[in-house]
Amino acid sequence: NAGVMQNPRHLVRRRGQEARLRCSPMKGHSHVYWYRQLPEEGLKFMVYLQKENIIDESGMPKERFSAEFPKEGPSILRIQQVVRGDSAAYFCASSTDTYGYTFGSGTRLTVV
Amino acid sequence: LAKTTQPISMDSYEGQEVNITCSHNNIATNDYITWYQQFPSQGPRFIIQGYKTKVTNEVASLFIPADRKSSTLSLPRVSLSDTAVYYCLVGASNTGKLIFGQGTTLQVKP
Repeated sequence: NAGVMQNPRHLVRRRGQEARLRCSPMKGHSHVYWYRQLPEEGLKFMVYLQKENIIDESGMPKERFSAEFPKEGPSILRIQQVVRGDSAAYFCASSTDTYGYTFGSGTRLTVV
Repeated sequence: LAKTTQPISMDSYEGQEVNITCSHNNIATNDYITWYQQFPSQGPRFIIQGYKTKVTNEVASLFIPADRKSSTLSLPRVSLSDTAVYYCLVGASNTGKLIFGQGTTLQVKP
């Protein structure tokens, strides 16, 4: 049973481009979470999704950031018009209704 | 969600037992205490979870006093590979957002 799969592991974007980060949850997990970690800091919650629904987006920046978890396929975190301050590690986690909060290895976004 | 306080950093030597204490004065009746470990360039990994008294698994022990206002993660006979950041989290559910603090950076020296 593969763990939470994130890709790409590393992503370089120029300022103003779009970044798309993908997350495939563990098999049987219907809850997906995205976190951001700036250098030398702890993880900050961004958004919590279930299939086709956003449950809690209280940590998402109001502009340029969006997330989805479609009925089929991976969850996508999309950052439009990236700026240098978006450079960070983005982690995805998944869980069932009651158990198994598991993190992926992250995507490291570098904006140049 | 209860706020947690833990030391920013700790040093230890190989073979020693390491105890990391976390304060959570406002823990609620339904809250569990969970510890995660994070290595550089990796996502956090679940270590142990408990509600009260003592919990032990193959990796660590978790000691929780009767008032539950603190907890202590105990790592027996640490090795260099235990060098990581350790996070203490408090919450009532296995779904929903997790609130991470700064964590404790443990440096194990030879």
